[in-house]
Amino acid sequence: DIQMTQSPSTLSASVGDRVTITCRASQIVSSWLAWYQQRPGKAPQLLISKASTLERGVPSRFSGSGSGTEFTLTISSLQPDDVATYYCQQYLSYPWTFGQGAKVEI
Amino acid sequence: QVQLQESGPGLVKPSQTLSLTCNVSGVSVSNAMHSWGWIRQPAGKGLEWIGRIFTSGATNYNPSLKSRVSISLDAPKNQFSLHLNSMTATDTAVYYCARVPVGAAFDSWGQGTLVTVSS
Repeated sequence: DIQMTQSPSTLSASVGDRVTITCRASQIVSSWLAWYQQRPGKAPQLLISKASTLERGVPSRFSGSGSGTEFTLTISSLQPDDVATYYCQQYLSYPWTFGQGAKVEI
Repeated sequence: QVQLQESGPGLVKPSQTLSLTCNVSGVSVSNAMHSWGWIRQPAGKGLEWIGRIFTSGATNYNPSLKSRVSISLDAPKNQFSLHLNSMTATDTAVYYCARVPVGAAFDSWGQGTLVTVSS
């Protein structure tokens, strides 16, 4: 199985800060990498697919980059609505696997 | 707009079989551009992919569950189902159904349903 490791596991930042979350894969996943946002008590929501493609309706302050084994999710200006746990997921090979999550607090 | 809604028992006894249904609206489950999947999340923990089914009926399962899991599609009812047998306490989780466009990630999710395994 491809292991996905996110860092940091928790981060606390201020409104307006630039926030970066890293996701590392144990094997090359090319660009088959997605990012999800999960607000407390809610289902995950797809933010970014193919490592850097922003889903329709997702605010432009979110961006994704990387390929191969190292990826980043960036929030350019943190907003109160962004308090959530963020997960990366590889969908190159079965079993599809998720990172352990990165909790963003304000 | 696609909507997914899970339904099924909230409580299952150990060793029993869990059966969950995902009712889909806004798109046909027979649309070959999509496949349909299940994911679960134990309380306070991360996400685990369970498996998915294509409109052809082909399936892929997580090897960690493969011997216990099956996913099926019911096109006339526009729904798909998850069956997980030999349930134990470690299967207690919120179970989500989701749409997976072919070659893409989970782009639409149900709200999730909590399943507790207890006698």
